Amino acid sequence: GEDVEQSLFLSVREGDSSVINCTYTDSSSTYLYWYKQEPGAGLQLLTYIFSNMDMKQDQRLTVLLNKKDKHLSLRIADTQTGDSAIYFCAESMYSGGGADGLTFGKGTHLIIQP
Amino acid sequence: GAVVSQHPSRVICKSGTSVKIECRSLDFQATTMFWYRQFPKQSLMLMATSNEGSKATYEQGVEKDKFLINHASLTLSTLTVTSAHPEDSSFYICSAKSVWGSSTEAFFGQGTRLTVV
Repeated sequence: GEDVEQSLFLSVREGDSSVINCTYTDSSSTYLYWYKQEPGAGLQLLTYIFSNMDMKQDQRLTVLLNKKDKHLSLRIADTQTGDSAIYFCAESMYSGGGADGLTFGKGTHLIIQP
Repeated sequence: GAVVSQHPSRVICKSGTSVKIECRSLDFQATTMFWYRQFPKQSLMLMATSNEGSKATYEQGVEKDKFLINHASLTLSTLTVTSAHPEDSSFYICSAKSVWGSSTEAFFGQGTRLTVV
């Protein structure tokens, strides 16, 4: 079955870049997502990338996809204290008219050091 | 972005009782809603997919008689945990996909923390 793996913790200093990594096993994944979960809040979609892309940039966020290695990363430039949260990697097979549930990783807890 | 409201955010119930969790899409219509469960330090696991007006599709290992899902309208889906036991204590979260266009985004509710005592 599908599996999405990511490390549980990442600690970075304020102002540095954070790179959160994710690997997945389902080669038929069509969309890959990064979600942010702040304490007591629901999941917030940060960005997503189609499987036919290898990079997507959105302000401080850069997503890199290596489809051959099934590796996805999220880079947050100039990390701020407000970026402290759990970041979930997720994948889905979008089937056009249908709608698929997402397969999530366990989430990476991003810890910001002053 | 679109808003999905989940209620209640926290609930404590006695073992053996039933609990209903509501998931509403506030400003869009959702033909499909998803229910996830998250145990501590675990990933969110898809429990079931519910389509408006039809029976929900449950993932393997999820008891349909225990987790009753009703999706009676395009803006409301409910999950009822029947005869709850302490092992059902978890974080339950719903998501909804818009019926319009080719949007691939699923909007999430804020989740419900269920504690069964």
